[in-house]
Amino acid sequence: QKEVEQNSGPLSVPEGAIASLNCTYSDRVSQSFFWYRQYSGKSPELIMSIYSNGDKEDGRFTAQLNKASQYVSLLIRDSQPSDSATYLCAVKRDTGRRALTFGSGTRLQVQP
Amino acid sequence: KAGVTQTPRYLIKTRGQQVTLSCSPISGHRSVSWYQQTPGQGLQFLFEYFSETQRNKGNFPGRFSGRQFSNSRSEMNVSTLELGDSALYLCASSLGGRYTGELFFGEGSRLTVL
Repeated sequence: QKEVEQNSGPLSVPEGAIASLNCTYSDRVSQSFFWYRQYSGKSPELIMSIYSNGDKEDGRFTAQLNKASQYVSLLIRDSQPSDSATYLCAVKRDTGRRALTFGSGTRLQVQP
Repeated sequence: KAGVTQTPRYLIKTRGQQVTLSCSPISGHRSVSWYQQTPGQGLQFLFEYFSETQRNKGNFPGRFSGRQFSNSRSEMNVSTLELGDSALYLCASSLGGRYTGELFFGEGSRLTVL
């Protein structure tokens, strides 16, 4: 079982729709959760971090964390073609020597 | 504020050679991490350094090594290159501490091994 699992996609949504990206993780001790966006040929960039259960909103992005079910999701409202990219979920245990672990990413395509 | 700078951006080596990649973090960032990215394996963690000390190491063979200098700049070295080492090597910096997961990535060094 991979430590961080994501559906590779592509997830295709029409412009203006809500895109929902999901991620599950296996390490129950994980305490910090992140979403990175990676455009084709570019490096990953951090778009959201979430540390406690519930929702965290930042503009059109909402991260949702459920530690009991060990999943974290990212919602993108009013999706734009410029949102087309690969979205990487990353988790980290804050105790002990564990580095940030990335999922393999979900490719999102927003159709104009 | 300058971002993370990696050099060289592209390089071609042959099997058996060695390579050194360099990374200059964002000013004020003391933590530097290295990742290998390939289409098949995604982002794989190599090392993490903080204040010249290796804090974490990924599951890579001993041919992969790294270090961090007093100015937070970091280098990684791969000896006895193999074809499978062809990849994009990404360096990322962070403030460290509770911000260790908030990484800022460089543009990467794309290594091709022939």
